[in-house]
Amino acid sequence: SQELEQSPQSLIVQEGKNLTINCTSSKTLYGLYWYKQKYGEGLIFLMMLQKGGEEKSHEKITAKLDEKKQQSSLHITASQPSHAGIYLCGADKGNFNKFYFGSGTKLNVKP
Amino acid sequence: IAGITQAPTSQILAAGRRMTLRCTQDMRHNAMYWYRQDLGLGLRLIHYSNTAGTTGKGEVPDGYSVSRANTDDFPLTLASAVPSQTSVYFCASSEGGRAFFGQGTRLTVV
Repeated sequence: SQELEQSPQSLIVQEGKNLTINCTSSKTLYGLYWYKQKYGEGLIFLMMLQKGGEEKSHEKITAKLDEKKQQSSLHITASQPSHAGIYLCGADKGNFNKFYFGSGTKLNVKP
Repeated sequence: IAGITQAPTSQILAAGRRMTLRCTQDMRHNAMYWYRQDLGLGLRLIHYSNTAGTTGKGEVPDGYSVSRANTDDFPLTLASAVPSQTSVYFCASSEGGRAFFGQGTRLTVV
């Protein structure tokens, strides 16, 4: 079974629209990571969240970790075609020997 | 700065053949990992190594072996490939709470 549940599995949005991707764990997380993968390429690190209630932003992407440290959301404002790809959340429980990934969210942005 | 380099980029392999996927990092990270990525399943850990000379099994280790003779290299070997090992393989290293990934190796076993 997946340790991390990610939703939605896929998303198609019109350019300029906002969108949110969610990542949920049944257990408290030590660290929550967001990655982006462009089709056929490697993973690119976006953000890491460690503290309950933490929020980080990079350009038009904002990620939040809830107070219980069990749910994170990734929000993209005014989406662009360059945002298209697969977004993966990952989490560790204190060491990378047990690093879990969600199943990913495939994002397409229509021009 | 190269980061993590994987080779080959892609490979088509006959079932039953032996294959080694190469992974090299130039960041001197102690911890390294091999993942496979399959549609709908996300990334799953195959094997890991916390430091040179040590390795451990991840979530899906069967059919794979690794070695860690030095800090920089972490090859993944398929002793006798089977079609279910068709996947995209990612090598990663970690340091200071961050993981770094290679570009991936797309392997097709026919």
